[in-house]
Amino acid sequence: EPEVTQTPSHQVTQMGQEVILRCVPISNHLYFYWYRQILGQKVEFLVSFYNNEISEKSEIFDDQFSVERPDGSNFTLKIRSTKLEDSAMYFCASSESLAKNIQYFGAGTRLSVL
Amino acid sequence: KQEVTQIPAALSVPEGENLVLNCSFTDSAIYNLQWFRQDPGKGLTSLLLIQSSQREQTSGRLNASLDKSSGRSTLYIAASQPGDSATYLCAVSFWAAGNKLTFGGGTRVLVKP
Repeated sequence: EPEVTQTPSHQVTQMGQEVILRCVPISNHLYFYWYRQILGQKVEFLVSFYNNEISEKSEIFDDQFSVERPDGSNFTLKIRSTKLEDSAMYFCASSESLAKNIQYFGAGTRLSVL
Repeated sequence: KQEVTQIPAALSVPEGENLVLNCSFTDSAIYNLQWFRQDPGKGLTSLLLIQSSQREQTSGRLNASLDKSSGRSTLYIAASQPGDSATYLCAVSFWAAGNKLTFGGGTRVLVKP
């Protein structure tokens, strides 16, 4: 069964460093998302991406964050200068269309900022 | 503000008992509602999606109902098994909020053998 793949599974970084989290969405999907879950808190929406541009972003998704689809398969989330409060589990998701908005999630990348 | 709430936060039942998990949302103008399962430290597995035009959706031992007018959805898991132990998350796509999902806090379920 097709699945969303995220790498790495765990990323440890120093505060102020840049990190790139990688995702390979399901191949025929057109909509892509990033969510995050701080330990013990709700899953929160960060950004959605369609047709090579951001379609929606939350207040969390400030200038430190960016997303890119550099080729036909990868979808990346970059955090330019990490802060301690960026420590969380980051989930990538994809969906086929708006009509079939079942979002399929990857296993997540645990980001630890020291 | 559009919010999704799940009560209780945790639930423990003996094996074989039916599970009833509740989800409430503040705005009845929803596009769809999705139930997920999350195992500790793992990703989210989609269980069921109910479109706003539907009243229920079934998959095996799972049945989810939707009552938009009261802002509620219920996930029923029949004849629970220890392998059903996990956190169950409800997520809503609101009409006014594009196709992003707004999540509840989850219900952590323990099925005791």
